[in-house]
Parts: sequence; C-alpha cells; structure tokens
Amino acid sequence: KQEVTQIPAALSVPEGENLVLNCSFTDSAIYNLQWFRQDPGKGLTSLLLIQSSQREQTSGRLNASLDKSSGRSTLYIAASQPGDSATYLCAVRFGNEKLTFGTGTRLTIIP
Amino acid sequence: SQTIHQWPATLVQPVGSPLSLECTVEGTSNPNLYWYRQAAGRGLQLLFYSVGIGQISSEVPQNLSASRPQDRQFILSSKKLLLSDSGFYLCAWSEHWLDTEAFFGQGTRLTVV
Repeated sequence: KQEVTQIPAALSVPEGENLVLNCSFTDSAIYNLQWFRQDPGKGLTSLLLIQSSQREQTSGRLNASLDKSSGRSTLYIAASQPGDSATYLCAVRFGNEKLTFGTGTRLTIIP
Repeated sequence: SQTIHQWPATLVQPVGSPLSLECTVEGTSNPNLYWYRQAAGRGLQLLFYSVGIGQISSEVPQNLSASRPQDRQFILSSKKLLLSDSGFYLCAWSEHWLDTEAFFGQGTRLTVV
C-alpha cells in the first residue's frame, strides 16, 4: 500500500530558528512530491514541487529535498517567523492521477 | 493565470437534505479535477477525480457522487446527507500530465446537523 507519513504531528520552535519538517513514503516509484501549507480553516497553498528526477527545490527561505531511494523528503525553513505558523502537508504522486497526502505537521513559531 | 473557485465557503445542512458543492477552474483547459475531504484531525482523503468531461473515478464507496458537466466544472453532490458527511471539502486541479503541480481551492466547511 502506498502511504505517506509525516512526523512529528506538531512542532513548536522559537522565532528565528531554522527547522526541518519530515515526510516519508513507502514506494520509491514516484512522479513527484509536493509540499503544501494550510492555514486554519483555509485551503492548501502549494509551496514547492519536486520532480522525481530532482534532488531539491528552493523558494525563498524554503528548501525541499527528495531522496527517493530512502523514501524521504524534508522541508527546511530558514530563519523562522511567526507567519510561518501553519500546518505543512506533504503529498506524493505515486504514478497515477492521484495525490496521496500525509497527515501533516502543525508548526507553531513562538515569538 | 489559472484560478480555482469553490463555493460556498461554509454550509450547514440538516441530515437527509441534498448537497451540491461546485468548483470551477479558469485559465486552463482539460484539467484533471479532484475532490478531497479533510475530517477533523485526519489527513486528506481523495473522494473523486476526473480526467475529462463525464469521466469520474470514485475512490471510496460513500454517500456522495461527483459530476463533470463541463470541462472546467466539477460538482460534488449527495441526495441525502449523513452526519458523517461533515468535514472540510477541497477541490483541486492539475494539468493533464503526471508530473505537474496541483492547486487547491479555499475549501467548503460542511456541517451536517
């Protein structure tokens, strides 16, 4: 069964610190992996898309890496800010039209 | 640029009443369209997806149905709502190739009472 796991479920970090969010998946035969941000009661905002042939993608203070062989991706957030507080979701396209999601990591940045 | 619209934003419906949630996409053609449900404290569950007009794939047996009457319109329906249908419903789209990015609407919070 193709599954996506995100640990921890919640994380609190003081403002200004760098942090890493983790995502693991069970099948290395993927098309791509996408990181999303979700604010409470809102839809999902796409942050970064990594194709299966790529090792990492960067956007501003965000850097996402992909290691297919180990079934892992990380989202690195540099110099965290209170506005980064949200739930971060990892989603994998396992070779069909569907995106399979992890349950997310709820991130709180403490001012 | 492409945009996705989903409405209504919130909905409170009695048990046994019908449901119709609508999603439209602008700025693209022949997109893949998706309906997800997010229950409290749980991940996103794919309910339906469509790769073209009239083509609907259902992921889980349930009290809901989906239709795609036009290329960029996706509708989620129910004839009789159950309490367990409460949740946050999200529509999404992506281009027709497997290596493309997915984009989501703002969601509909459905409460069945």
